[in-house]
Amino acid sequence: NAGVIQTPRHKVTGKGQEATLWCEPISGHSAVFWYRQTIVQGLEFLTYFRNQAPIDDSGMPKERFSAQMPNQSHSTLKIQSTQPQDSAVYLCASSLDLWHSQNTLYFGAGTRLSVL
Amino acid sequence: GEQVEQRPPHLSVREGDSAFITCTYTDPNSYYFFWYKQEPGASLQLLMKVFSSTEINEGQGFTVLLNKKDKRLSLNLTAAHPGDSAAYFCAVSAPGGNYKPTFGKGTSLVVHP
Repeated sequence: NAGVIQTPRHKVTGKGQEATLWCEPISGHSAVFWYRQTIVQGLEFLTYFRNQAPIDDSGMPKERFSAQMPNQSHSTLKIQSTQPQDSAVYLCASSLDLWHSQNTLYFGAGTRLSVL
Repeated sequence: GEQVEQRPPHLSVREGDSAFITCTYTDPNSYYFFWYKQEPGASLQLLMKVFSSTEINEGQGFTVLLNKKDKRLSLNLTAAHPGDSAAYFCAVSAPGGNYKPTFGKGTSLVVHP
């Protein structure tokens, strides 16, 4: 079990460019979460999926952020027209079953996005 | 929705001292409580998971206290050592389906030799 895999580990983009972040959840896990981590804001919830269906995207900045889960083995977070304030570590996590709130979240190592 | 406040944001202690981190939450229906540890450059890993029915939970070198009346969750690292230096996050969730856990903002702990 390789755990949650996030790629790339580091991404540098210029202001206005697009960034796509990838996440491969643990096999068999039905829930996938995306978080953004910064020193100032801590861990911010962005969105989550259950069985590939989007359940809650209340944390997503509406205009430039989008997330998809086209199959059970990967999810993507896309940021269009990146801005310096998007610079953060983006964390993906998976959980065995969303319907059991006692379940542990397993986090990937994160993607550090730097927008110049 | 649920609000979780974690204090302090930064904590510096000497080796052998205790380190105390507290989270307060707002939803009285909260039932599951988690502490995650994030070592520098690494991902968050579960430290302990506790249920609402248990007020004191002991791990290796730490104790988790749950005060349901005050809606407070605490992590006490007893006799901290430099290997405990990390960021610690609490998370809270209510029972039932379709949840998302609510995280505190984290505490950055430094244990000096």
